[in-house]
This record gives sequence, C-alpha cells and structure tokens, in this order.
Amino acid sequence: GAGVSQTPSNKVTEKGKYVELRCDPISGHTALYWYRQSLGQGPEFLIYFQGTGAADDSGLPNDRFFAVRPEGSVSTLKIQRTERGDSAVYLCASSLLSEDTQYFGPGTRLTVL
Amino acid sequence: QKEVEQDPGPLSVPEGAIVSLNCTYSNSAFQYFMWYRQYSRKGPELLMYTYSSGNKEDGRFTAQVDKSSKYISLFIRDSQPSDSATYLCAMGSGGSYIPTFGRGTSLIVHP
Repeated sequence: GAGVSQTPSNKVTEKGKYVELRCDPISGHTALYWYRQSLGQGPEFLIYFQGTGAADDSGLPNDRFFAVRPEGSVSTLKIQRTERGDSAVYLCASSLLSEDTQYFGPGTRLTVL
Repeated sequence: QKEVEQDPGPLSVPEGAIVSLNCTYSNSAFQYFMWYRQYSRKGPELLMYTYSSGNKEDGRFTAQVDKSSKYISLFIRDSQPSDSATYLCAMGSGGSYIPTFGRGTSLIVHP
C-alpha cells in the first residue's frame, strides 16, 4: 500500500513569507509526527498528533510554527514569517498506534532565501 | 553535551567488510533503542528495535545494547554497496513515543 507522502517535495521561499507543508499519513494510522532535520543532523521532534489533537507540541521552536490535523488524517505544518534558519528538511511520520513503529515520508526540503 | 552522540563519519569500507556503527548516550531513562537507515533524499527507515541489553540479530544486521556503559552498536555483516546510506541511532524512555536521534553516521561501501 501507499506509504507516507509529503508535498511539496521542495519549497523555496523568501524570508518573511508564509509556507504550508502537507503530510498524508498511511491510511488508518492514528498517530502522526512532524520532525525537522537540518543538514548533517538527526531528525528533531516538533509535534505529535493522536487523532485530531496535538498530544505533544513541545518541540515547536516558537509561535511562528503551527500544525493542524482537522480530520485525523492529513496534517499541515504552517510556518509564518519564515527565517533563513528555518531551512531544513521537514519530515512527517505516522504509526498505527502511538506505541507502534513510525513510518517516515520522504520529507519536504524547505529553503528560505 | 548532547543526549545522544554519534560520529558523523564518513565511514568507508570495501564490499564484504563487517561494519560497526556506534552511539553513546547520557540519559539513564532511555529504555528502547532503534537503528534507522536513511538514503539520500529519503526518509529514515527502521532497521532494528530493541528494548533490552544484549544482542538482537536480523539477517546481516545485529544490534547490541550495553545499558551499563550507555553504548549501542549496529553491526552489518557482508556489507554491500546498497548498504551505503546514513545510519541513525534513536532511543527513548518508557512511556514516551518520541525518540531522540543521533546525528547519523554516513556509510560508504565501495565495490
């Protein structure tokens, strides 16, 4: 079956602009995670959804970052007033239940000029 | 000091070699340990998961955990060029579904 998909695969934007990154989890997976991976680093946790609600958003770096999952499936990560330091690969993962294996998508490569 | 330390490499080995990849950690609360493989421009893929000290084998891969030394290893036997990737260790504490990742080790297996 289909894995986790993320769109767009690449996004180039200018400093100060607003961006939305989309994640389509594996069908039926209740848990969804967002991570950020900077060059040469491992993924860093941003936010985790169980169903429609954010169960843990302790990794969001500041209030410019926000994520939603209104119907418990697709999730959107929103970044306001982008900064050059936001440039990274944004990874999404999903799992059937919270305690199960996380399956990662290919990521969205965000470049802020 | 980061909670999880991992040498970024690159580690270059000839085809057929035994590869040893390692991570150290400082958080005694970590109870589960994982190894992910990440190909260039792809998401991480889970290779091994273990919850206790000792060895776990799966095909050419062996994961080893030494909680007393806070040290984990991944061994790859008969390495192949297709094993060339970045290997990420990850670990977490009981009750937490959010693992902490190492920075990854880049492995190059040349024919």
